[in-house]
Amino acid sequence: NAGVTQTPKFRVLKTGQSMTLLCAQDMNHEYMYWYRQDPGMGLRLIHYSVGEGTTAKGEVPDGYNVSRLKKQNFLLGLESAAPSQTSVYFCASSGARTGDFSGANVLTFGAGSRLTVL
Amino acid sequence: GQQVMQIPQYQHVQEGEDFTTYCNSSTTLSNIQWYKQRPGGHPVFLIQLVKSGEVKKQKRLTFQFGEAKKNSSLHITATQTTDVGTYFCAGPEDMIFGNEKLTFGTGTRLTIIP
Repeated sequence: NAGVTQTPKFRVLKTGQSMTLLCAQDMNHEYMYWYRQDPGMGLRLIHYSVGEGTTAKGEVPDGYNVSRLKKQNFLLGLESAAPSQTSVYFCASSGARTGDFSGANVLTFGAGSRLTVL
Repeated sequence: GQQVMQIPQYQHVQEGEDFTTYCNSSTTLSNIQWYKQRPGGHPVFLIQLVKSGEVKKQKRLTFQFGEAKKNSSLHITATQTTDVGTYFCAGPEDMIFGNEKLTFGTGTRLTIIP
């Protein structure tokens, strides 16, 4: 019963390098999200997906790409890393809406991936 | 776009004192969620409020949703060291395929002085 698993947990990159963060969930959730967390900035949505094969931009999508080829996986890619992308990245997932229309669905977060770009 | 603000940004309290954090949205919310993030950890869901004026309690934690559904508060009575962490509120921005995309507040970081 792992929930949401992120890999890697830590990574150091040089400016211009590329990398992919992997998020896997075993709860059969439809919705998946990538957030970044910076001091004093809270959690900001990068990209999200409402189902297998779909992706959409969030609040801060520039410099990132995502893919959702399988329902349980959501990949976040950095094609050319920049120091401004130094951050902690959180993946989250949520199930489809249940109950009355006014209730949002609860997010289950992964443990986070700390990325440093030098 | 929607903005969700929290105050204060930081709060230091003596163990045993009460603590309150406030969340304000620029738009009316259909519901609001609260999450807690321990130092070095990830956000964990605490509670969801849906109805105008709703009040919910979890042991020493009291959550309130404003009558106009634009603000919310979290109050902790008699803080303990286990309460240390950052508390986030989150409100839905808009609908995506029947589900909401959450906007998180900036968080209130609580530290406890033993």
